[in-house]
Amino acid sequence: ETGVTQTPRHLVMGMTNKKSLKCEQHLGHNAMYWYKQSAKKPLELMFVYNFKEQTENNSVPSRFSPECPNSSHLFLHLHTLQPEDSALYLCASSQGTREQFFGPGTRLTVL
Amino acid sequence: QKEVEQNSGPLSVPEGAIASLNCTYSDRVSQSFFWYRQYSGKSPELIMSIYSNGDKEDGRFTAQLNKASQYVSLLIRDSQPSDSATYLCAVLSGTYKYIFGTGTRLKVLA
Repeated sequence: ETGVTQTPRHLVMGMTNKKSLKCEQHLGHNAMYWYKQSAKKPLELMFVYNFKEQTENNSVPSRFSPECPNSSHLFLHLHTLQPEDSALYLCASSQGTREQFFGPGTRLTVL
Repeated sequence: QKEVEQNSGPLSVPEGAIASLNCTYSDRVSQSFFWYRQYSGKSPELIMSIYSNGDKEDGRFTAQLNKASQYVSLLIRDSQPSDSATYLCAVLSGTYKYIFGTGTRLKVLA
């Protein structure tokens, strides 16, 4: 595997389900990010981890819970989501504050 | 609220022409700037980064930065239909805080 990988690529869940998104970076970077991308809106930064320590939480609702066990892996745990949470969820990594590299994303649909 | 502004487009250019994409930002202390290309249904792909005033060229792409005017642009020479995509401007505003514009949709007409 190369670059940044994400699983699953597509996810459909009900409002009462619990699911997790997984991201792995193979670039040796120290920082990892979760973004939300909705139609007609700019990418929204959700969480930032630097050397597995959270450095940014952009007022994200508690139904989104991140986990970063090491600097190569990042998870986003989802529970009791709302239909408006349907979006493309993107993981990215960077070495310091240089260029970010994105994974392919998870297309999430909440019914 | 720190912002990055882009014209949403679509910007239509004929094949072989120069496409000019523009971006303005509000945070005067920003030092790092990035251009990404995003095809429909795909994730953003890095095109170029630029950190100092002036021009930076990479193949058919040239990024231009003017910090005094808080303006960054991307020129695409010899535009091809395969360049048709949404182009995202991103600005580093604070430690690990990247702010993205909404993107400009480019259509290159064959």
